[in-house]
Amino acid sequence: EAGVTQFPSHSVIEKGQTVTLRCDPISGHDNLYWYRRVMGKEIKFLLHFVKESKQDESGMPNNRFLAERTGGTYSTLKVQPAELEDSGVYFCASSPRAAASYNEQFFGPGTRLTVL
Amino acid sequence: AQTVTQSQPEMSVQEAETVTLSCTYDTSESDYYLFWYKQPPSRQMILVIRQEAYKQQNATENRFSVNFQKAAKSFSLKISDSQLGDAAMYFCAYRSAKKWNDKLVFGAGTILRVKS
Repeated sequence: EAGVTQFPSHSVIEKGQTVTLRCDPISGHDNLYWYRRVMGKEIKFLLHFVKESKQDESGMPNNRFLAERTGGTYSTLKVQPAELEDSGVYFCASSPRAAASYNEQFFGPGTRLTVL
Repeated sequence: AQTVTQSQPEMSVQEAETVTLSCTYDTSESDYYLFWYKQPPSRQMILVIRQEAYKQQNATENRFSVNFQKAAKSFSLKISDSQLGDAAMYFCAYRSAKKWNDKLVFGAGTILRVKS
């Protein structure tokens, strides 16, 4: 079974440009999460999808970030326009069933975003 | 809000020796989960061990065990008989047991180096 995949693995863009990150969760997983690790600090939660709906987007830093999960399968995270402080590693994770008492989250390898 | 603190940015251990990684957390909740994740260089983050807060018994997974001190809000990871493959970044993480609140709260991580 394929794990969580993310594309691209690395992206280098200029300040003010737009970047779109993609996450493909494990097939059949209802839950999809985005996290971010900036400059060697803690990994911070960004948002949580249950199927195609946003369950919790309390960690999204500002309105330059837009996440979508059309059809409840893969998800995209768009940053527009990118700022220097957006540089970091963006992780995606997925877990099986919605509303379960415990779901292990399986992580992707991350996308390293560098904004120059 | 919950916080997780890992006070050791880096640790080193000789192959076959034992090492303990520290983690403290802060929460007002009584029911939650604690985790240790491992991220090898350029690879995906994987779950090493999990502890349910309502369980007094410390979790163990082969060479990995935890020392869970609920009153002290401490959750350390002990790696016995360290192997070269244990070299990685280790993250301590917290998750509420409340339904629909399953985002992970991470510490800043500890780099573990294993010397041969």
